[in-house]
Amino acid sequence: KNQVEQSPQSLIILEGKNCTLQCNYTVSPFSNLRWYKQDTGRGPVSLTIMTFSENTKSNGRYTATLDADTKQSSLHITASQLSDSASYICVVSPTFTSGTYKYIFGTGTRLKVLA
Amino acid sequence: NAGVTQTPKFRILKIGQSMTLQCAQDMNHNYMYWYRQDPGMGLKLIYYSVGAGITDKGEVPNGYNVSRSTTEDFPLRLELAAPSQTSVYFCASSSGDSVQPFFGQGTRLTVV
Repeated sequence: KNQVEQSPQSLIILEGKNCTLQCNYTVSPFSNLRWYKQDTGRGPVSLTIMTFSENTKSNGRYTATLDADTKQSSLHITASQLSDSASYICVVSPTFTSGTYKYIFGTGTRLKVLA
Repeated sequence: NAGVTQTPKFRILKIGQSMTLQCAQDMNHNYMYWYRQDPGMGLKLIYYSVGAGITDKGEVPNGYNVSRSTTEDFPLRLELAAPSQTSVYFCASSSGDSVQPFFGQGTRLTVV
C-alpha cells in the first residue's frame, strides 16, 4: 500500500535553532516528492519539489534531501524564525499509469518556534 | 494573480442540508482537485478533473458531487450534509499531472 509517514508528529524549538523533519514513503513507482508548508487556517504552499534523480534542493533557509534508494526525504530548516511555525507536509507522486492519478499526502509535522 | 479562490471560508450546516463549495482558478490550469483535511490526517482526494467536462472520483467521493463546465470553475456539491463531512476542504489546481498543485485557502465546514 502506498503510504507516506512523517516524523516527528510535532516539534518545538527555540528561535534561531535548526531542525530536521523526516518523511519515509513506500510509494512505488515514484515520480516526485514535494514539501509543503501549511500555516494555520491556510492552504498548503509548496516549498520544494524533487524528482527521483535529485538528491537535494534548497529554497532559502529550507533544504530538502531525497534518498530514493531508502525512500526517505528530510526537510532541514536553518536558523528558524517565528514565522516558520506551521505544519510541514510531505507529498509523494506515483508514476502515472493507466490514466489514473493520485498524490499521497503525509499527515504532516507541526512545528512550533518559540521566542 | 489571485491563484485559487475558494468560497465561503467558513460554513455551518445542519444535518441534511445541502450546499456548494465554490472554487475558481485564474491560471488556466487544466487539472483541478478537491481534498478534505481531517484533524491529524493527510489530505484525502475527493474528486478531480483533468479538464472541462471531465471529472473522476478520488479516494473519498461518497456524499459529494462535482462538475467542471469551464476550465476556471470546479464546484463541490454536498447534497445531504452529515456530521462525518465536518472537515476543512481544499481546492487545488495544476497545469499538468506531474506539476505541483496550488492550493486555495480552504473552507472550514461544520455539520451539526
